[in-house]
Amino acid sequence: DIVMTQSPDSLAVSLGERATINCKSSQSILYSSNNKNYLAWYQQRPGQPPRLLIYWASTRESGVPDRFSGSGSGTDFTLTISSLQAEDVAVYYCHQYYSPPYTFGQGTKLEIK
Amino acid sequence: EVQLVESGGGLVQPGGSLRLSCAASGFTFSSYAMSWVRQAPGRGLEWVSAMSGSSSRTDYADSVKGRFTISRDNSKNTLYLQMNSLRAEDTAVYYCAKDGLSGRDLAYYLDYWGQGTLVTVSS
Repeated sequence: DIVMTQSPDSLAVSLGERATINCKSSQSILYSSNNKNYLAWYQQRPGQPPRLLIYWASTRESGVPDRFSGSGSGTDFTLTISSLQAEDVAVYYCHQYYSPPYTFGQGTKLEIK
Repeated sequence: EVQLVESGGGLVQPGGSLRLSCAASGFTFSSYAMSWVRQAPGRGLEWVSAMSGSSSRTDYADSVKGRFTISRDNSKNTLYLQMNSLRAEDTAVYYCAKDGLSGRDLAYYLDYWGQGTLVTVSS
């Protein structure tokens, strides 16, 4: 099974500042035949279901603000929020869909400093 | 508008069974793989199972393999999860989620999620 490890577990950032969350997979999730990384990011606000933010490691879902961006390839990935807003307080999860069993990272809790 | 509405959760004793349903609307249900993802209280997300749109392929997490069965009725736009031999560690909110790509056998990223249904396994 592919293990997804996020860092840090929690993060406090001032409003307007940059937030960076990392995700590392235990094996490459880059599919060589199409050069796509099978990695998604989700946001889960308190009491809500998860919301898709990013897929294919760097493609922003429709309606997601452009302050959210994803990067990385192979085994190392990053979610960046360029200018933190109050509504970004949430837990963020990475997710590999390269091979079943599909797995999530343990989550990173993002708070306002 | 895509809508996913889960039902069937509740309190069940260890060793018991429960069947969850997920009623889908707002998209061509048969064209999309669907997944179940669960979240234990205060914990992270755990992928449970997925089924292709045609029902030709199913996948399960090791933690539920042999105990849970995913199925779907495309004529009713409904996804199911039959849960048998339930354990305390199966206590969680169970979400159904729609795949982001149509016409694929494997599950990909999940672009719509229901609100979830709570399953509590306790004596």
